[in-house]
Amino acid sequence: NAGVMQNPRHLVRRRGQEARLRCSPMKGHSHVYWYRQLPEEGLKFMVYLQKENIIDESGMPKERFSAEFPKEGPSILRIQQVVRGDSAAYFCASSPYFSTGTAGELFFGEGSRLTVL
Amino acid sequence: DAKTTQPPSMDCAEGRAANLPCNHSTISGNEYVYWYRQIHSQGPQYIIHGLKNNETNEMASLIITEDRKSSTLILPHATLRDTAVYYCIVRGLIQGAQKLVFGQGTRLTINP
Repeated sequence: NAGVMQNPRHLVRRRGQEARLRCSPMKGHSHVYWYRQLPEEGLKFMVYLQKENIIDESGMPKERFSAEFPKEGPSILRIQQVVRGDSAAYFCASSPYFSTGTAGELFFGEGSRLTVL
Repeated sequence: DAKTTQPPSMDCAEGRAANLPCNHSTISGNEYVYWYRQIHSQGPQYIIHGLKNNETNEMASLIITEDRKSSTLILPHATLRDTAVYYCIVRGLIQGAQKLVFGQGTRLTINP
């Protein structure tokens, strides 16, 4: 059973360009979470999605950032018009969903490291 | 989610047991205690979780006090590869509120 797959592992963008980060959850997992870790800082929650639904986006910046988890395919975190302050590691996690309405433990990918020049 | 308090750093000798404390005095009855670790800049790794009973798996043991206001993660025979930042997280499982909120964690250094 493959783990959470993130790509690209490293991405370099110039200011003003767009960055797209992809996350394929573990097989059987229907919940996806995105976290950001700035250099020398802790992990900050960004957004929590189920298939085709955003459940909690309380940690998403109001502008330029968006996330989706379509019915088919990976989850995408999109950052438009990137700025230097967006340089960070972006981690995706997935969890299973139980019939009780609860989610299991989160399993994280190895992250995508965005560098904005 | 209830907040947790952990010491910022700890040291432990290789081969000894590492005991990492966590205070969560405002935990509510339906919230679990989770432990994760992050080795260098890798993705966080799940270690263990519990509600009120002590738990053990192949990685660690989790001891939760009877009043549930604190817990201890025990790595029974620490190795150099256990050097990491360890996060104690209180997590509710109410639908829609199931994210993990990471604090600053404890930076554990295993010394040879």
